[in-house]
Amino acid sequence: EVQLVESGGVLVHPGGSLTLSCAASGFTFRSYWMTWVRQAPGKGLQWVANIKPDGSERSYVDSVKGRFSISRDNAESSLYLQMNSLRPEDSAVYYCARWGYYSGYYHIDQWGRGTLVTVSS
Amino acid sequence: QTVVTQEPSVSVSPGGTVTLTCGLSSGSVSTSSHPSWYQQTPGQAPRPLIYSINTRSSGVPNRFSGSIAGNKAALTITGAQADDESDYYCVLFLDSGLWMFGGGTKLTVL
Repeated sequence: EVQLVESGGVLVHPGGSLTLSCAASGFTFRSYWMTWVRQAPGKGLQWVANIKPDGSERSYVDSVKGRFSISRDNAESSLYLQMNSLRPEDSAVYYCARWGYYSGYYHIDQWGRGTLVTVSS
Repeated sequence: QTVVTQEPSVSVSPGGTVTLTCGLSSGSVSTSSHPSWYQQTPGQAPRPLIYSINTRSSGVPNRFSGSIAGNKAALTITGAQADDESDYYCVLFLDSGLWMFGGGTKLTVL
């Protein structure tokens, strides 16, 4: 069974830093693009960042570029999101998710349950 | 900046048919947009529904179908049921090389 389990969400002050982790199991982690998606309270989903299977390519939504860094450890089947210079608007549930590739199309085929990050003084 | 557009709210009668759309503020949705659809109920993680234009994810009832109609992606529910009342999101791959979710559609079955 595929599992994605996020951890690391806490209350942090504005300007602070935090690293989220995602433990993956039940599939060959090193073969998949991975992603972080967030959802602010009462709001919609927002794609945050992607990382290629070998970690050689990363992309970010403009609002986090330069502040957040996505990384992975394929030996440990783990995904990370380093978040710096946090702002109140970064408060959200952060989901770790997997990009599946079928018949030439990408889609998010597995989601974790999410971890809550609250940025507040 | 290009934005992915969805109807904020839509309602359907039980047993009825409803179509939700996913478009771009600038340009057209095509197969290269890799459109996919997700269902979310409060407090839960999103559930994959449709990908590859019209392929249902595992366990998704066949009353859900997808298409590209005109310049938008579309999700159609035929024979809506009470437990289809949820938020529905699409996500698209943009020309910028980044991904973007639509704002979501709140579907009411009444």
